[in-house]
Amino acid sequence: GENVEQHPSTLSVQEGDSAVIKCTYSDSASNYFPWYKQELGKGPQLIIDIRSNVGEKKDQRIAVTLNKTAKHFSLHITETQPEDSAVYFCAASMYAGKSTFGDGTTLTVKP
Amino acid sequence: DGGITQSPKYLFRKEGQNVTLSCEQNLNHDAMYWYRQDPGQGLRLIYYSQIVNDFQKGDIAEGYSVSREKKESFPLTVTSAQKNPTAFYLCASSEQANSGNTIYFGEGSWLTVV
Repeated sequence: GENVEQHPSTLSVQEGDSAVIKCTYSDSASNYFPWYKQELGKGPQLIIDIRSNVGEKKDQRIAVTLNKTAKHFSLHITETQPEDSAVYFCAASMYAGKSTFGDGTTLTVKP
Repeated sequence: DGGITQSPKYLFRKEGQNVTLSCEQNLNHDAMYWYRQDPGQGLRLIYYSQIVNDFQKGDIAEGYSVSREKKESFPLTVTSAQKNPTAFYLCASSEQANSGNTIYFGEGSWLTVV
């Protein structure tokens, strides 16, 4: 089955710096890669996603890049703010019933 | 507002008891899911349902049961056979279970065994 590895497990940055979280996946059939943000005690919220026919997608301060050949994708957050502090999860799926999640990255943005 | 509602938010269970977590969605989604989240770990799929009256086991179905009698509702029962049930449980839904559909999550339910 699919295996998703996410790195780093914790990340601390200064406010205004950039943060990058990376995920690798094993199943070349995966074609959908969402990223979720989870605040303490709440459910994950989708922040950005990318499909396999696209190499990069951007939404304001957030961007995701996908390298299908190398089977990895990354989340980039620029100009980080304290409210960006949360746990971020990546996922890889062929379809929603077969989504595999990474173990999460705890991002701390220091003011 | 459209969304996924889970209840209760916090639940305590005595050993040997079954408990049921409620999940309701008004997004008109066909597919619904239950995930378990343990501290510092990712999300593990317990059960999912692609359509009313149909459901499939996920990766960690043992000790859990579900039903899907209505499109809007997908309750999860944590049975006494689940030996380590203390966790954060997340209900989710998507338009369909196939074709790379986005999964949307509820706010979660904390279950603690006392």
